[in-house]
Amino acid sequence: DVKVTQSSRYLVKRTGEKVFLECVQDMDHENMFWYRQDPGLGLRLIYFSYDVKMKEKGDIPEGYSVSREKKERFSLILESASTNQTSMYLCASLPSGTGRGYEQYFGPGTRLTVT
Amino acid sequence: QKEVEQDPGPLSVPEGAIVSLNCTYSNSAFQYFMWYRQYSRKGPELLMYTYSSGNKEDGRFTAQVDKSSKYISLFIRDSQPSDSATYLCAMRGSGNTGKLIFGQGTTLQVKP
Repeated sequence: DVKVTQSSRYLVKRTGEKVFLECVQDMDHENMFWYRQDPGLGLRLIYFSYDVKMKEKGDIPEGYSVSREKKERFSLILESASTNQTSMYLCASLPSGTGRGYEQYFGPGTRLTVT
Repeated sequence: QKEVEQDPGPLSVPEGAIVSLNCTYSNSAFQYFMWYRQYSRKGPELLMYTYSSGNKEDGRFTAQVDKSSKYISLFIRDSQPSDSATYLCAMRGSGNTGKLIFGQGTTLQVKP
């Protein structure tokens, strides 16, 4: 079974803090993604990476950065947390090749609250 | 206008009902159409996927794609309380980045 784990289920941070969200997958997938999920807005792509040290901006990259130093680990960084970054953050991984319609495997999510 | 539109609900039905969930989209380049199910406090899991137009059936679930109308549906027959979850449609083009565009998700509650 593919396993995608995220470092924290719940996180509370203060405005202005630097926040690190970690994601690890154990299936040697090339592609990894960071989304945020907000009520009424669905999942929105923040950044994705298709290889080590490679990254591409998604639809809402402002205020975020990412790091992928190892294939299995993809980190999301909030440089200076703000209250509008309070959200559920979901990490996903995807194998290269056709698979099941390019099925993305999701982690359990991190609920981040910025006060 | 969003690329993918989905009514967020919530949708509440009695056990045993037939449920119809729908999404519309605007990008005619989409080729892969998926339905993800997300239980409370969990990440989404792929439920069904369809390539291009047509129907696909898996047990009590049927996915339909009508590319001419840019409309996809998920039908759940004999709905069960365990089907209570948020259902997200997702779609992508034929490129190889793996990027998916998600709908807003529909919250479904099946009452015993």
